Amino acid sequence: EDKVVQSPLSLVVHEGDTVTLNCSYEVTNFRSLLWYKQEKKAPTFLFMLTSSGIEKKSGRLSSILDKKELFSILNITATQTGDSAVYLCAHHHSLGAGKSTFGDGTTLTVKP
Amino acid sequence: DAGVIQSPRHEVTEMGQEVTLRCKPISGHNSLFWYRQTMMRGLELLIYFNNNVPIDDSGMPEDRFSAKMPNASFSTLKIQPSEPRDSAVYFCASSVRESAGELFFGEGSRLTVL
Repeated sequence: EDKVVQSPLSLVVHEGDTVTLNCSYEVTNFRSLLWYKQEKKAPTFLFMLTSSGIEKKSGRLSSILDKKELFSILNITATQTGDSAVYLCAHHHSLGAGKSTFGDGTTLTVKP
Repeated sequence: DAGVIQSPRHEVTEMGQEVTLRCKPISGHNSLFWYRQTMMRGLELLIYFNNNVPIDDSGMPEDRFSAKMPNASFSTLKIQPSEPRDSAVYFCASSVRESAGELFFGEGSRLTVL
């Protein structure tokens, strides 16, 4: 059974801090790894990673994948209170099994 | 462009009642997914459709749950009879195609079964 494990489960930081969220996976038929941000409502897409070593960046957020060590990290620099959310990592299967397996998420709280 | 539209946003019902959740995917998206989110189990895939055809329903908890997609713009998830343990947020999501990966989620239907 595919497994996606995120750490830490929760994190409290102050504005301006830099955080690193971790996602490790044990899956068959890897296709891609995705990061989502979930505030009070629905998860919204952040990044999709398919290749090792290529950093994806969007503003203060960046993410990278290591397919050899089977993990990904999501970095947030200069955190703001608006970054407070649950960050979800998901593995998207290949071979026509078009479903995603989600980790339990990391709850990030950014204090002013 | 409208995103994924779900209804109702909130539903409170009593044990034993039938519950029907509705979803309109993004126009042009060929894959539709029903997920359930609880504190204990996180986000779990219940069922997904590709081109209106159910592909994988292995996540459907039991026979009380059923899902249909009669056309490309509408899907329902039905629970009959409902039980308190079905209380959760039910998300519908769509993607351009099965292989795309990126999911676009609706705002969810929060179900409370008393």
